[in-house]
Amino acid sequence: SYVLTQPPSVSVTPGKTARISCGGNNIENQRVHWYQHKSGQAPVLVIYHNTDRPSGIPGRFSGSHSGNTATLTITRVEGGDEADYYCQVWDTGGDHVVFGGGTKLTVL
Amino acid sequence: QITLKESGPTLVKPTETLTLTCTVSGFSVSTSGSAVGWVRQPPGKALEWLALIYWDDTQRYRPSLQSRVTITRDASKNQVVLTMTSMDLVDTGTYSCASQRTGDGYFDLWGRGTLVTVSS
Repeated sequence: SYVLTQPPSVSVTPGKTARISCGGNNIENQRVHWYQHKSGQAPVLVIYHNTDRPSGIPGRFSGSHSGNTATLTITRVEGGDEADYYCQVWDTGGDHVVFGGGTKLTVL
Repeated sequence: QITLKESGPTLVKPTETLTLTCTVSGFSVSTSGSAVGWVRQPPGKALEWLALIYWDDTQRYRPSLQSRVTITRDASKNQVVLTMTSMDLVDTGTYSCASQRTGDGYFDLWGRGTLVTVSS
């Protein structure tokens, strides 16, 4: 079954750019979605279909993918961006949902 | 405004069956192309997808749990129900339902989740 690999943690100072990676075999052929999950709250979709932003999500959030890696980029990071971030795909081979292991973003 | 709200027991004993209900408001679970799924998160661990049901009652399950999990849809109540048999201590976690209003592979809206503890 398809596996998505994320770094456990990423740290960034306010105002800088955070990049969170999501590795998967030929992920460039997948549609990758990203969620922000703050403790005690419902997860929020921040990027879908690799690069699209839902209504209400700031333009500071963007997605990209190439080869075996998809990336969530957050520019001008704020303290409120501190959360766990998960990538997700639909595994067409197995016909099911796959989540990455999650990345904890710490704003220093 | 679209909301999803999970309900069910907060404590179950090992070997018992868990039944959770997701009540959806502001969006019909019978909308063509849509789906509703269940995701759980054990304490300190990652999100784990469990099951998905489409508007036409097509079901999809996490392969490792397929023998224990059942997802059903009650269109008259606009609810989706998850049943998990043979509960174990490792099944402790927060269980959330989430919608795929376009059925296009991503969860656009989530409930806040309900904590289920498995303990004797």
